[in-house]
Amino acid sequence: DTEVTQTPKHLVMGMTNKKSLKCEQHMGHRAMYWYKQKAKKPPELMFVYSYEKLSINESVPSRFSPECPNSSLLNLHLHALQPEDSALYLCASSQGSGKDTQYFGPGTRLTVL
Amino acid sequence: AQKVTQAQTEISVVEKEDVTLDCVYETRDTTYYLFWYKQPPSGELVFLIRRNSFDEQNEISGRYSWNFQKSTSSFNFTITASQVVDSAVYFCALSERPAGGYNKLIFGAGTRLAVHP
Repeated sequence: DTEVTQTPKHLVMGMTNKKSLKCEQHMGHRAMYWYKQKAKKPPELMFVYSYEKLSINESVPSRFSPECPNSSLLNLHLHALQPEDSALYLCASSQGSGKDTQYFGPGTRLTVL
Repeated sequence: AQKVTQAQTEISVVEKEDVTLDCVYETRDTTYYLFWYKQPPSGELVFLIRRNSFDEQNEISGRYSWNFQKSTSSFNFTITASQVVDSAVYFCALSERPAGGYNKLIFGAGTRLAVHP
């Protein structure tokens, strides 16, 4: 089973709203990732959690706040977003040896009005 | 610096044609990993294949085959007898030197494949 789930599938929010994206995996993976993907572009890495510790923050604005409550869950808290933050947000996980395949979830399509 | 180049932005073929998607990479590492992912219109990135730098054997999986050549730093992907369901964006990716239990993927720009009936 190589399933990563993400909720919600679609999200529309205003610039003053606070919302959260959720990601879950039950493969026993110890590394989890958030990516942002704009139309017709490849995914861009935002954050990496390894063994529940934040390992990489690719200079992401503080209006995006990641959280890893446990090894199966990854959240992305959103606050005061801008219209240019509208994108597909993808979550991925990998086993945790550093040589592994990343498996992606279906993504959340976010629109910021 | 590590880099992945997919020179073909878009390819359009008619069903049952064979099609090859090119991928050229740059890295100074001697140990690295190469991947292909498929992204259909639904958005999910679907893993297709992973190859490590020490394994130059070509691989075939049904209608899909991959040709890894270290001498030319290429990892090309061929779909034989293409079908409409193969229409998607295909990404080639290179994994940076692993550290701390995770890896960073360097993605190519992607190739959009359209298969017409």
